Amino acid sequence: GQSLEQPSEVTAVEGAIVQINCTYQTSGFYGLSWYQQHDGGAPTFLSYNALDGLEETGRFSSFLSRSDSYGYLLLQELQMKDSASYFCAVRSPTRWKAGTALIFGKGTTLSVSS
Amino acid sequence: EAQVTQNPRYLITVTGKKLTVTCSQNMNHEYMSWYRQDPGLGLRQIYYSMNVEVTDKGDVPEGYKVSRKEKRNFPLILESPSPNQTSLYFCASRPTGGHEQFFGPGTRLTVL
Repeated sequence: GQSLEQPSEVTAVEGAIVQINCTYQTSGFYGLSWYQQHDGGAPTFLSYNALDGLEETGRFSSFLSRSDSYGYLLLQELQMKDSASYFCAVRSPTRWKAGTALIFGKGTTLSVSS
Repeated sequence: EAQVTQNPRYLITVTGKKLTVTCSQNMNHEYMSWYRQDPGLGLRQIYYSMNVEVTDKGDVPEGYKVSRKEKRNFPLILESPSPNQTSLYFCASRPTGGHEQFFGPGTRLTVL
């Protein structure tokens, strides 16, 4: 089967640093993505890691270790507007030769307080 | 503006009354997919399409149908809706080989 595990909830204060972990077990792996979803809104893309290592985009960074089937999203200098759900998603092959599918984790709700 | 649109945004219906949720994208993306989102279960893929006339089941396809007759449109059909299909539905698209998936605004469906 395919599964992704991430914590269900994380709380932090403004200005802090938070790390959201994701471990995965999938039949085939091309890369790990992260999406943000505010309450009532659509998921929006944050980052994609295909190779091991850290990718930095402003206050957000994402890390991947393929050998450990593990990745994390690091959020720095937290702001109230970062309160949202964060989903990791694995890009994995489908039965179509050129096709890939995105398999999502159940999401982590981040609450940032002042 | 590049976007994915869904209609309707909200729908309340009754068991057994066939309905269609439309999805359209103006980015010329090959790949489109449908997800349902339920509390505590994340986003689960219903169906996806690699291109026109190429569709396949996702993780939770039972009770749903799709078609892809044109590249821009990917409607989701519920032939005989049941209360367990009450959910928030998202359509998404991306180009083949692209990493970023673009989501529509969502359709909140209630089946009584």
